[in-house]
Amino acid sequence: DAKTTQPPSMDCAEGRAANLPCNHSTISGNEYVYWYRQIHSQGPQYIIHGLKNNETNEMASLIITEDRKSSTLILPHATLRDTAVYYCIVERFDGLTFGKGTHLIIQP
Amino acid sequence: GAVVSQHPSWVICKSGTSVKIECRSLDFQATTMFWYRQFPKQSLMLMATSNEGSKATYEQGVEKDKFLINHASLTLSTLTVTSAHPEDSSFYICSASNRGRGEAFFGQGTRLTVV
Repeated sequence: DAKTTQPPSMDCAEGRAANLPCNHSTISGNEYVYWYRQIHSQGPQYIIHGLKNNETNEMASLIITEDRKSSTLILPHATLRDTAVYYCIVERFDGLTFGKGTHLIIQP
Repeated sequence: GAVVSQHPSWVICKSGTSVKIECRSLDFQATTMFWYRQFPKQSLMLMATSNEGSKATYEQGVEKDKFLINHASLTLSTLTVTSAHPEDSSFYICSASNRGRGEAFFGQGTRLTVV
């Protein structure tokens, strides 16, 4: 029972901003939005999370709509090493539930 | 970010034997550790949640007698796959958290192949 919907794949040119969308229309008021990514054959890597305000760190920015029903992860200057599967997760408690994610491919 | 170390990174074992995988949080105390399994081209599936000093909570469909989890300290959890069979071959990943808000840190995973 997926709580989030993401496109299965996206392409982005190297050096450009990669914008990854996520729909979470059934999110409840105390659930956070988390983003992780998984490079092939490695463990997932935490990127960012937020509740209702936009967030930014050294890796990415997270834009959450005012109604919290969708969000966008922004990688400002994508590099080839950003090619990975990106997971948008909505969760309140520990024990993250992974959907199928978006396979982001950065093109040289 | 915090470091979670998983060992071994890969293992090949014979059918019917048992394999132990270790997950250590190196620079923080993990009150909760999670074990996931990932088959090729699929997403991670949560197997169980373990809290230090208590019994693990298994997800539906995961056999607790086959996948033994021990979380004896705040920095170490182990997963033992007992009487392994070829269908248990998978990528096993642990994660650790001490913040209770989902900002979990993952190990590098263990590739188990049962022959």
